[in-house]
Amino acid sequence: GAVVSQHPSWVICKSGTSVKIECRSLDFQATTMFWYRQFPKQSLMLMATSNEGSKATYEQGVEKDKFLINHASLTLSTLTVTSAHPEDSSFYICSARDTAGAMGAKNIQYFGAGTRLSVL
Amino acid sequence: DQQVKQNSPSLSVQEGRISILNCDYTNSMFDYFLWYKKYPAEGPTFLISISSIKDKNEDGRFTVFLNKSAKHLSLHIVPSQPGDSAVYFCAASARWYMKTSYDKVIFGPGTSLSVIP
Repeated sequence: GAVVSQHPSWVICKSGTSVKIECRSLDFQATTMFWYRQFPKQSLMLMATSNEGSKATYEQGVEKDKFLINHASLTLSTLTVTSAHPEDSSFYICSARDTAGAMGAKNIQYFGAGTRLSVL
Repeated sequence: DQQVKQNSPSLSVQEGRISILNCDYTNSMFDYFLWYKKYPAEGPTFLISISSIKDKNEDGRFTVFLNKSAKHLSLHIVPSQPGDSAVYFCAASARWYMKTSYDKVIFGPGTSLSVIP
C-alpha cells in the first residue's frame, strides 16, 4: 500500500486563486520531504526541499513567494501555489525520505501519487 | 547540464524476454543510485537501489548493475511482463548532500518501456 499520501489528486482553479497540496508520510516520520514538478514527457524537476521545523530550501529559479512550503510536523508538508496562473498548470509530486529505514532501506524517497493542477 | 542521462527515450521488448535499461552519470560524487517506475498520472514507485560499494543488487526479477569506472548503471528485468510497461527513471544522489541535512536525488529523463504480449 501507499506509504506517502498526496491530496488532492486533481484540482481545477481559477486564475489568481491559491491552491494547497498536502503530502503525508503514512508509515514513517519524515524530517525531509521534497516537492517536484513534472511537465509532459519530461523528467521530475526538484522544486524545493522541505525540512521539518525550518525553512524550505528552494532550487534555483523557483519562486519561494509563489510556492509556499510548510513542514509543520514529521508527517506533513504542504505546498501552496499562490495566485495561480495558467502557466502553473502542471503535475506536482511530493516525496518523503525514510531516513531511519522504517520501510526497509534507509534514505529511500517514497513518492505520493501526484496532484494534477489545472489553472483556468 | 544533465548529470544523469538515459539516452534511450523508449524501449520495446517482447514478453518473457529481458529488458535492459541503461543510465549514465557524470558526477563522480554520486554514490547511491535508484530506479523508479512510473505510470501516467501517478507518482514514481521505488524499485531497487544500489550503493557505490556494490556492483550488483538483485530483487526478484529486477537486477541493477553498477560500473563505477564507466559511470554507468543498468536495470535488468527478466522475464519482462506486460505490467512492466511504464516509464523508468534512473536517479542518483551523493552522500555529501546528506551531510548538509538534506539530500538531492537527481533524476534522469526516463525511458519508456513497452512490453509486447
